[in-house]
Amino acid sequence: EAQVTQNPRYLITVTGKKLTVTCSQNMNHEYMSWYRQDPGLGLRQIYYSMNVEVTDKGDVPEGYKVSRKEKRNFPLILESPSPNQTSLYFCASSSRDRTPWVPGYTFGSGTRLTVV
Amino acid sequence: GQQLNQSPQSMFIQEGEDVSMNCTSSSIFNTWLWYKQEPGEGPVLLIALYKAGELTSNGRLTAQFGITRKDSFLNISASIPSDVGIYFCAGRQGGSEKLVFGKGTKLTVNP
Repeated sequence: EAQVTQNPRYLITVTGKKLTVTCSQNMNHEYMSWYRQDPGLGLRQIYYSMNVEVTDKGDVPEGYKVSRKEKRNFPLILESPSPNQTSLYFCASSSRDRTPWVPGYTFGSGTRLTVV
Repeated sequence: GQQLNQSPQSMFIQEGEDVSMNCTSSSIFNTWLWYKQEPGEGPVLLIALYKAGELTSNGRLTAQFGITRKDSFLNISASIPSDVGIYFCAGRQGGSEKLVFGKGTKLTVNP
């Protein structure tokens, strides 16, 4: 089944303790991105990647890091989480072969992060 | 960063009614997208629009790319209880690889 898989689904952590949220897709998609969803704010893009070793900032990148060493994986790293990073996070992927292409074709089921 | 103005914020309707929601921007977009999100799940792409004036349907859903390229509309005809969810618009500007989202329209359908 074609899908985007995020882990974990739920995470409670303490301020300052480094964490990684994983994202993996099995569709050989070139484009992957991370979003956060907050009540009343909709989804906001954190980082995106056009392909392996190519990443760029979205609208709210502060406090986050990403890496794209393999095509299928795009982990989101919080080096020193703070309470204002408590949110619902989504990973998404798209194929660049599709014309015209959609930068947000398939979303994962989300990771609910709480930083206390 | 840029955000889209989506309205209404919420809608409470009776089963069988038609629904309209829209999304506007102060900037031009060259792709408009509509998603539906159900509780506990990620957004699911419903309709993608690529040309000004384009009208596209997906079952009971119809979406239009505004002529000015600064707005888009989504209509749902003859609503049913499973239409419940949050509907998001999203847009991509020319030359950008980023998606910008609206804040969503929460739809409740009373049987």
